[in-house]
Amino acid sequence: SQQGEEDPQALSIQEGENATMNCSYKTSINNLQWYRQNSGRGLVHLILIRSNEREKHSGRLRVTLDTSKKSSSLLITASRAADTASYFCAHRVYNDYKLSFGAGTTVTVRA
Amino acid sequence: DAGITQSPRYKITETGRQVTLMCHQTWSHSYMFWYRQDLGHGLRLIYYSAAADITDKGEVPDGYVVSRSKTENFPLTLESATRSQTSVYFCASSAAGASEQFFGPGTRLTVL
Repeated sequence: SQQGEEDPQALSIQEGENATMNCSYKTSINNLQWYRQNSGRGLVHLILIRSNEREKHSGRLRVTLDTSKKSSSLLITASRAADTASYFCAHRVYNDYKLSFGAGTTVTVRA
Repeated sequence: DAGITQSPRYKITETGRQVTLMCHQTWSHSYMFWYRQDLGHGLRLIYYSAAADITDKGEVPDGYVVSRSKTENFPLTLESATRSQTSVYFCASSAAGASEQFFGPGTRLTVL
């Protein structure tokens, strides 16, 4: 399997705190993406970082990519109750259009 | 309404029956995908398609059949359902040259 791994599996934080989750993969990649899944819903694309990028921001999201360590992290700053969801990383290799997904991190934001 | 839709949203069937899950997208995306989501396994790719009449096996294709006669539709058939196929199934699509995938709402399938 080319699936990545994510940690932690679950994370519980207080509203206003930051949430950080990590993702590792095994192959050379073209890009890495993060998706969010609310309970009972489909996945929604959050952010994409290319293999030649090291950091990317989108609103309260910050993604880093370290291709030498084959790892990425997603930081959600100033979390809100609405951020409660599962977060998945997915990577795409060169010359392919498939994505390989990690097992996900479940984030619970307590009010 | 534009987007990607799946039907049915919920399905209960019995072992040995044939079941077809439907997926329809209105964007004319070239690529379409079927995933299953099970606790502890994340999303696993079943089949994917680059265009009409072009399909390929993913990570877990056994027991499934797909077709793609029209760009907008990508049905997934379980020819003889087994209990191990109880899962949530997601269809997704992406445009040619793009990596971002758009997901449908999912079909929760229970095989008794």
